[in-house]
Amino acid sequence: QVQLQQWGAGLLKPSEALSLTCAVYGGSFSTYWWSWIRQPPGKGLEWIGEIKGSGTTSYNPSLKSRVTISLDTSKNQFSLRLSSLTAADTAVYYCARGGGPLDNWGQGTPVTVSS
Amino acid sequence: QPVLTQSSSASTSLGSSVKLTCTLSSGHSSYIIAWHQQHPGKAPRFLMKLEGSGSYNKGSGVPDRFSGSSSGADRYLTISNLQFEDEADYYCETWDTNTRVFGGGTKLTVL
Repeated sequence: QVQLQQWGAGLLKPSEALSLTCAVYGGSFSTYWWSWIRQPPGKGLEWIGEIKGSGTTSYNPSLKSRVTISLDTSKNQFSLRLSSLTAADTAVYYCARGGGPLDNWGQGTPVTVSS
Repeated sequence: QPVLTQSSSASTSLGSSVKLTCTLSSGHSSYIIAWHQQHPGKAPRFLMKLEGSGSYNKGSGVPDRFSGSSSGADRYLTISNLQFEDEADYYCETWDTNTRVFGGGTKLTVL
């Protein structure tokens, strides 16, 4: 049974950078894609990007200039960095396992961007 | 890239059935999708992977009351014998090379 556990700072100021990490417990790390998704308050899901176990990345074009997704295979962890934050980045951020459908999700981390 | 369209809301009675629809954009009618369930304040839960043939594979622990089917560009999630715990938001998802997209979600109310 795969479990994803995520963490990171929840209150940030405009222009700062968001940094979140997701740890994967159980299952193979290298053969899947590992994704980040966000959900603004009262709105739907938005895909941010993902990274394959080999290190190949794909990003949402609307966020690409500000996003970096990386992985640490020695710890079975992957991370999200989103720079130049504004209030529009306020959302719950989720990590998930992909490579096909997103079939396992982290618990979510609420992030608020406010001065 | 593909676009997924869902009705914003649906409502039906306890014990009845409901069929939610997710429509793929033109040129993408053969795509595989997934259905996810999300209760308020909770993370989404993977329900099933659904192919254009109508074949589906459910996630671990998903009740038998949940089933999938397809017709052309439409992908359906049917929930039978509705329970109050089925009241939630339902999202469809699809993916392609270098992209992943979600439908806008359907809010299901059980009366």
